[in-house]
Order: sequence, then structure tokens, then C-alpha cells
Amino acid sequence: AQSVAQPEDQVNVAEGNPLTVKCTYSVSGNPYLFWYVQYPNRGLQFLLKYITGDNLVKGSYGFEAEFNKSQTSFHLKKPSALVSDSALYFCAVRAYSGAGSYQLTFGKGTKLSVIP
Amino acid sequence: DTGVSQDPRHKITKRGQNVTFRCDPISEHNRLYWYRQTLGQGPEFLTYFQNEAQLEKSRLLSDRFSAERPKGSFSTLEIQRTEQGDSAMYLCASSTTTGLNTEAFFGQGTRLTVV
Repeated sequence: AQSVAQPEDQVNVAEGNPLTVKCTYSVSGNPYLFWYVQYPNRGLQFLLKYITGDNLVKGSYGFEAEFNKSQTSFHLKKPSALVSDSALYFCAVRAYSGAGSYQLTFGKGTKLSVIP
Repeated sequence: DTGVSQDPRHKITKRGQNVTFRCDPISEHNRLYWYRQTLGQGPEFLTYFQNEAQLEKSRLLSDRFSAERPKGSFSTLEIQRTEQGDSAMYLCASSTTTGLNTEAFFGQGTRLTVV
């Protein structure tokens, strides 16, 4: 079975400072990894994905994520946080093949608060 | 708006009643997914369609739940004899069939409250 852990329920960061939202995963075989963001009363919005290739993935709104196979991690990062980045962030994994390979498994989410 | 559309946005129902939600995916997306999200949790997979075929169902999808996608376009999710534990946000998503590595696009969800 595949799973995702987001160890921090909440992350607080000052505006202009770098931010990191942590994610570790467990899956059989190679993973497809995703980050989504959820604003209040809004659906999930796709930020970025890792499929294969370069371990550093760049996505929307200046976000990037680093895939680390040995640590089974896929941490979300941004060099300079904005107040408008405050939202709920979800990491998700999909198996490469086999049973459950069409379903995304999400973490519990991390609430990011950027302080002005 | 060419995104995933869900209707209604909010539904309040009495315990024991049946409810039905509708999802219109992005045009030409032949994969459609239903997820359920409760407060403080990430979305949990319920079921998946490719065109009109329902290919995967989660163990979360009890026999009170049924989903259809009759013409491979819009989908409905029906909950019979609702229970308070069914209160949640029901999310629909769609994607293309270019392998497995395509992201899913989510609708804004239907928030169900069972009283």
C-alpha cells in the first residue's frame, strides 16, 4: 500500500524568508509525486509533479520540490515566501504501476502561514 | 470556465435521505475520479472511471454509495440512506490518458452536511 507523511501540521515563516514543507512517501516501485495547494473554500490546485529525470522540479508560483530517492522525500520549497502563499499544502503519491496505480494517495496536509 | 465543475456546492440533508452529486470534467478528459475529504485530512480516493467504465473502487465506497458515468462525460455520485459520518467534502477530478504521469485537475467540491 502506498502512503504519504507530512510531519508538520503547520509551518510558520516570515514574508521574504525561504520556506520548506516536508513530505515523505512509501510506494512499491517508482513513484509519481505531486504537490497541490488548497485555498479556503476552493478546490485543490496543482503546483508541480515529479515523474522522472531531474530531481529538482520547478512548478507554479515560484515553487519547487526536490526528489530524494534514498530518503523517500519530496519536500516543497520556495526561496522567498509571500503572504499570498498562506494556504493548505498537500503532497500526493501515485504508484507507477499495478494495483492502485490510478489513485492518488494524499498526506494530511500542512498549513502554511506566511507572516507579514 | 473550462475547469472541473461540481454541483451543488453545498448540500444539507437529513439522516436517512438520499443525495446525488454531479461532476462535469474538463472537456476531452476521459479519466474521472471521486475523492472524499474530511476536516483535517487529505482527500481519500473513492472511485475512478475511464470513459464510462468504473475501473477502481475503494473499500471506503460502501454499498450505500454508487457512481456512474453513463456516456463517458459527466458523472454522478449517489449516497443512499445518508449517515452523519458521510458529512464531508466530495471532490471530483479529471485527467487525460497520456500514461499515468498526468496530473489530475480538481473541482471545487460539494460539501455535504448530514443532520
